[in-house]
Amino acid sequence: NAGVTQTPKFRILKIGQSMTLQCAQDMNHNYMYWYRQDPGMGLKLIYYSVGAGITDKGEVPNGYNVSRSTTEDFPLRLELAAPSQTSVYFCATGPGNTEAFFGQGTRLTVV
Amino acid sequence: GENVEQHPSTLSVQEGDSAVIKCTYSDSASNYFPWYKQELGKRPQLIIDIRSNVGEKKDQRIAVTLNKTAKHFSLHITETQPEDSAVYFCAATPGDYGQNFVFGPGTRLSVLP
Repeated sequence: NAGVTQTPKFRILKIGQSMTLQCAQDMNHNYMYWYRQDPGMGLKLIYYSVGAGITDKGEVPNGYNVSRSTTEDFPLRLELAAPSQTSVYFCATGPGNTEAFFGQGTRLTVV
Repeated sequence: GENVEQHPSTLSVQEGDSAVIKCTYSDSASNYFPWYKQELGKRPQLIIDIRSNVGEKKDQRIAVTLNKTAKHFSLHITETQPEDSAVYFCAATPGDYGQNFVFGPGTRLSVLP
């Protein structure tokens, strides 16, 4: 039982490049979330999903896109990377209105 | 939307003393309030939570209190130990956002030996 698995753990991108952050869960939870955590700051919600085929914007969605074709996977797409997207990205999952389980995070640097 | 404030931003205590972290929220529809602990370079992990129909909850050295009228909740850690040193985040789940969490900015707790 891996819980929530994020790949890659680290990535350096050049300005204008694109990439996809992968997130997979084996907990069979409906809810999945993407958060970003800037240095010394709290967690800001980027996008979330309440089930396969359903996604919605959080507090800071600009510059990102998501899809949810299966219960298990919730990839986050960055198009045209900018330095402001340098952050640690956490994927999380949960049954809703209770504990959220976080992945190990992806540390992204845009140079 | 929901806004969660958290104080203090940093807190230093002597080992064995108590630590208290306070959070306020703005959305009266919020009904679930978790606390997460994040050690350096690691993922946030739930340490305790409380629902809006309960005023207090305890788990060994950790307790959380909730005042719905005033819209604030607090984390209490007694008999602090060096391994309690971490960043603590409070959160609230508002009625919108599909039961997502809005996090406070965090409190860096240092327990001094």
